[in-house]
Amino acid sequence: RKEVEQDPGPFNVPEGATVAFNCTYSNSASQSFFWYRQDCRKEPKLLMSVYSSGNEDGRFTAQLNRASQYISLLIRDSKLSDSATYLCVLPYSGAGSYQLTFGKGTKLSVIP
Amino acid sequence: DADVTQTPRNRITKTGKRIMLECSQTKGHDRMYWYRQDPGLGLQLIYYSFDVKDINKGEISDGYSVSRQAQAKFSLSLESAIPNQTALYFCATSDPRGGDTGELFFGEGSRLTVL
Repeated sequence: RKEVEQDPGPFNVPEGATVAFNCTYSNSASQSFFWYRQDCRKEPKLLMSVYSSGNEDGRFTAQLNRASQYISLLIRDSKLSDSATYLCVLPYSGAGSYQLTFGKGTKLSVIP
Repeated sequence: DADVTQTPRNRITKTGKRIMLECSQTKGHDRMYWYRQDPGLGLQLIYYSFDVKDINKGEISDGYSVSRQAQAKFSLSLESAIPNQTALYFCATSDPRGGDTGELFFGEGSRLTVL
């Protein structure tokens, strides 16, 4: 089984700060990874896809380090609206199926 | 209206009762999934279906069953509910036609409490 580990947090940061989360994985040769965002009592939604070495979208940067088997999510200039739980997601293929393994999530609270 | 709709959104029931959670989608996706989420834990896959004639067990299928009534409908049943099935349940869909992009579209969740 593929494993995904995340620091549960919470990360409490002031507005405007830069914050980074790491996610470590094992047993994967996947070429892609994903970050989902889940607001309190809401459904998860795809935030970013990470292919090859990394991806950047505005204030968000995701990177993949295959040698050390971790992916990271960097949020610059944090906003109050960034407060959520961030889920690291690892795909794996086996027995003709394609599945996603979700990490337990890292909780971020951005403080005024 | 939501593209992935779950009913009921909240349900309180007693041990031993049969419960059905329903999911319908208007996205036209072939793949549908049922997950459960417990506080502090990741999403765990219960069952998944890649088309109407395809049903597969996920990580934690014991105590659950599913039915894919149509491309747009995928229901989850607890034949005899027990307290440790108290959780938040999510239905999700995905569309592999553009490749496996890793994007799942989730319903808003069904919160089940078993007393």
